[in-house]
Amino acid sequence: EVQLVESGGGLVQPGRSLKLSCAASGFTFSDYNMAWVRQAPTKGLEWVASISYGGSNTHYGDSVKGRFTISRDNAKSTLYLQMDSLRSEDTATYYCARHENWGYWYFDFWGPGTMVTVSS
Amino acid sequence: ETTVTQSPASLSMAVGEKVSISCKTSTDIDDDMNWYQQKSGEAPKLLISEGNTLRPGVPSRFSSSGYGTDFVFTINNVLLGDEGIYYCQQSDNVPYTFGAGTKLELK
Repeated sequence: EVQLVESGGGLVQPGRSLKLSCAASGFTFSDYNMAWVRQAPTKGLEWVASISYGGSNTHYGDSVKGRFTISRDNAKSTLYLQMDSLRSEDTATYYCARHENWGYWYFDFWGPGTMVTVSS
Repeated sequence: ETTVTQSPASLSMAVGEKVSISCKTSTDIDDDMNWYQQKSGEAPKLLISEGNTLRPGVPSRFSSSGYGTDFVFTINNVLLGDEGIYYCQQSDNVPYTFGAGTKLELK
């Protein structure tokens, strides 16, 4: 059974940093492109970033480009999101999601999410 | 960037009725449109993927159609358990953009 479990969320002050993790199991992690998608309270879904199966290619949404870094450790089956220079508008639930295999860019499995609150 | 315009924002339906949700894209995305269901307090769930492909385990009451810039998601014979928010998402190009969502309420 595919499982994705996020951790690392919490309350952080504006301008500070936070690093999210996503532990994957139930599939061969190194075969899949992965992503982070976020959802602000009572708002819709926003794609944040994606990373290729080997980690060499990354893409970011304009709202986080230059501040967030997506990475992965295939030996640990773990996805990361380093979030720097956090702003109040980054407050959201952050979901780890798997891209379907063979170069498809929709999200076929999602974790339950971890909440990040940016506030002083 | 491809903008995705989803309508309506909300629907109130009776059990057994037919639900239709529209998504229109600002660029031609072939059939690279996907549909998700999000129930209250849960993560989104993929229902239909590119090429109007029903995902394994998803009831055949759910379907979609469309190509290019106009897409429609349909639920036939809607049930109480179908309450939630439905999102479309284009996977043709970066950034992967979502529609604003349609909140489905059952009367």
